[in-house]
Amino acid sequence: DGGITQSPKYLFRKEGQNVTLSCEQNLNHDAMYWYRQDPGQGLRLIYYSQIVNDFQKGDIAEGYSVSREKKESFPLTVTSAQKNPTAFYLCASSRQGGFVDQPQHFGDGTRLSIL
Amino acid sequence: GQQVMQIPQYQHVQEGEDFTTYCNSSTTLSNIQWYKQRPGGHPVFLIQLVKSGEVKKQKRLTFQFGEAKKNSSLHITATQTTDVGTYFCAGRGDSNYQLIWGAGTKLIIKP
Repeated sequence: DGGITQSPKYLFRKEGQNVTLSCEQNLNHDAMYWYRQDPGQGLRLIYYSQIVNDFQKGDIAEGYSVSREKKESFPLTVTSAQKNPTAFYLCASSRQGGFVDQPQHFGDGTRLSIL
Repeated sequence: GQQVMQIPQYQHVQEGEDFTTYCNSSTTLSNIQWYKQRPGGHPVFLIQLVKSGEVKKQKRLTFQFGEAKKNSSLHITATQTTDVGTYFCAGRGDSNYQLIWGAGTKLIIKP
């Protein structure tokens, strides 16, 4: 079955620590996205990538970094500069849609908490 | 910047009653998508609307896109327990590079 795999499901971060969230897809999608979801709020875009070796900042990129070395993989690092990292992180992918958007397919998410 | 406002935040209904959520944008949208997120789950794509005044149906769900392409609604007829979850709209403005998400409407079935 094709899909998106996020790991780990739960993650705890110590003060001053960087942590990396994994996102892998086997849907052969060009575009990948990272969102942050806080309770009672919609999804906010952290970073997105439309093609390998290229990515763009979303609305809340400060304190986060990404890489896109392979089409299948789009890991997100939450750095120590992100002072409020506790949230539900969702990775998504889609085909390139041009003017009309393509549906986004989501992984099961990673819940990050501060120790 | 572009905003997508979604109301209400919560809606409590008896099973069998109808449910409606509304999205309003500050600017014209090129298209709007709807997603459902079950409790503890991830968003799942339901539908996309592109044309002005478009209406689409999926069984008990009816989706509308306003004539001015600034608002949209999702209506569920005769809710069932399987409908429980949070419904999100997400729209793209003509000059935006990304989808802007509404805050979601949580559908709660009263016991």
